[in-house]
Amino acid sequence: SQTIHQWPATLVQPVGSPLSLECTVEGTSNPNLYWYRQAAGRGLQLLFYSVGIGQISSEVPQNLSASRPQDRQFILSSKKLLLSDSGFYLCAWTGTSEWFSYNEQFFGPGTRLTVL
Amino acid sequence: EDKVVQSPLSLVVHEGDTVTLNCSYEVTNFRSLLWYKQEKKAPTFLFMLTSSGIEKKSGRLSSILDKKELFSILNITATQTGDSAIYLCAVAGSNDYKLSFGAGTTVTVRA
Repeated sequence: SQTIHQWPATLVQPVGSPLSLECTVEGTSNPNLYWYRQAAGRGLQLLFYSVGIGQISSEVPQNLSASRPQDRQFILSSKKLLLSDSGFYLCAWTGTSEWFSYNEQFFGPGTRLTVL
Repeated sequence: EDKVVQSPLSLVVHEGDTVTLNCSYEVTNFRSLLWYKQEKKAPTFLFMLTSSGIEKKSGRLSSILDKKELFSILNITATQTGDSAIYLCAVAGSNDYKLSFGAGTTVTVRA
């Protein structure tokens, strides 16, 4: 079966510090991968998605970046965090084979980031 | 740009009540509409709808899509405190890889 991991679960960082959040998927190959941010009590804002190794599409201009160094690994980074980067970060994947409805996204447990 | 609007933004009900959540959308090349339930952490999948007028049911939850009027409703009957959550609606449209999410409806069920 497929599982998705995210770490860390919670993070408190000072303004101006760097950030690295990691997401890995097990049990599937060549997934589409996504990073979302959710502000308190709000919907999901798509930040980045990737359809393959090294392929990153950015949805919202900001001081965040994403990388996909391996097929099932997706990393969200920042060189200098801002207060406005606080939020709940979710990684998600969709399958790309005939076994999946490619619209259905499966979410990781999330990382709650507080920037002080 | 694809647009998804959910209403109400929040509501409070008592156990046993029936809840109806709304999701309207404007997308190019509609492909499917999805409902998710989010408690404390990751959203969990409830339903995917692609055809008008066909109700999907899972226990006390049901959902239906109207592609002519561009909306969907999610019903929860005989609500329980465990139904308290944010309910998210998302639509797959013009971009093959993306879902557009609404802001969510926060449901609070009081004992």
